[in-house]
Amino acid sequence: GQNIDQPTEMTATEGAIVQINCTYQTSGFNGLFWYQQHAGEAPTFLSYNVLDGLEEKGRFSSFLSRSKGYSYLLLKELQMKDSASYLCAVRSSGGSYIPTFGRGTSLIVHP
Amino acid sequence: NAGVTQTPKFRILKIGQSMTLQCTQDMNHNYMYWYRQDPGMGLKLIYYSVGAGITDKGEVPNGYNVSRSTTEDFPLRLELAAPSQTSVYFCASSTGDNNQPQHFGDGTRLSIL
Repeated sequence: GQNIDQPTEMTATEGAIVQINCTYQTSGFNGLFWYQQHAGEAPTFLSYNVLDGLEEKGRFSSFLSRSKGYSYLLLKELQMKDSASYLCAVRSSGGSYIPTFGRGTSLIVHP
Repeated sequence: NAGVTQTPKFRILKIGQSMTLQCTQDMNHNYMYWYRQDPGMGLKLIYYSVGAGITDKGEVPNGYNVSRSTTEDFPLRLELAAPSQTSVYFCASSTGDNNQPQHFGDGTRLSIL
């Protein structure tokens, strides 16, 4: 099976930087996705990592270390609209290549 | 750009009733999925399909059934509704290629009383 762990909740201040961590244990790792989900809405895709290193996309970056089973999502210049849940999903041969989701991290951005 | 469309958006059922949650996609994706999301629990996979005529169980399939007669449609059936099935249900689709994400519908909020 797969085990994916994320913090339940984080708070941050508008304009600041926040790092949301995701650790996983799986066999046959085949990629990690980050999704954003606003309350009452569907998840939307943010980023994908399959090789070690940092992927940057505007204010959002995602990092992966396969040897450590670790990823993080970095959000810069936080805005109020970034208040949402952030879901980490891992794809692996152990899970028939179907992404398995963590419980998500609820991020609250305050003024 | 319709993407993934789910109906209904909301539904209240009585215990023991049955219903079908509809899901259709217009992106010609081979892979389709059904998830349920309970508060603080993330997305749990119920069933998935890798193409028309092929379905397989996910993590929490008990109490549900699916069919995939066409590429576009992937309905989820609840035969005997139970209070434990109160949840938000999301349908998703993807190409199945390694780096391609899942596209989600807006969800169906189901309450069973």
